[in-house]
Amino acid sequence: DAGVTQSPTHLIKTRGQQVTLRCSPKSGHDTVSWYQQALGQGPQFIFQYYEEEERQRGNFPDRFSGHQFPNYSSELNVNALLLGDSALYLCASSPPTDRSYNEQFFGPGTRLTVL
Amino acid sequence: GQNIDQPTEMTATEGAIVQINCTYQTSGFNGLFWYQQHAGEAPTFLSYNVLDGLEEKGRFSSFLSRSKGYSYLLLKELQMKDSASYLCAVWAGTASKLTFGTGTRLQVTL
Repeated sequence: DAGVTQSPTHLIKTRGQQVTLRCSPKSGHDTVSWYQQALGQGPQFIFQYYEEEERQRGNFPDRFSGHQFPNYSSELNVNALLLGDSALYLCASSPPTDRSYNEQFFGPGTRLTVL
Repeated sequence: GQNIDQPTEMTATEGAIVQINCTYQTSGFNGLFWYQQHAGEAPTFLSYNVLDGLEEKGRFSSFLSRSKGYSYLLLKELQMKDSASYLCAVWAGTASKLTFGTGTRLQVTL
């Protein structure tokens, strides 16, 4: 049973460019969340996708957008990259809604460097 | 809003016991998670507390007091491989997002 997978592993971009990161959730999971983790910080919630729609969003500008496909995989897009967007981007998946438990399973992350 | 505090760094000796504290202030509370994260890797699940009290799992235990907004992670018989960051995360409200603290970087020394 494959866990959460993300691609690419590493990425280098320059300011102003656009980037797309991809995530495949763990088998049986239908909800995908994206987090940004700057060096030395905890993960910060970007947004969450469920049933191909954005269900909740954190305090991130509109430059950050996403998509979820019918097979539950997801993409994170960042436009007009800034130096401050350099971070580890983590995708986490969770199973169908269970109001008593909410463990999220994290992928290995994509390390984005903006020069 | 949500606020989660934990110490930035801790150092402990191999074989010893260490306690990592986490205090939180949130709107609503559904549960608290502890994750371990080695440098450059994804967070991995350690424990989950929803009721007050101690949850024990091998060398790791986690405690929760909801009335005090307080949790701790206890690591026993420390090993060098336990050197990592430990993240406290709160699940609150009706959505399923997690709010993380900044993490506590634990260094285990000989």
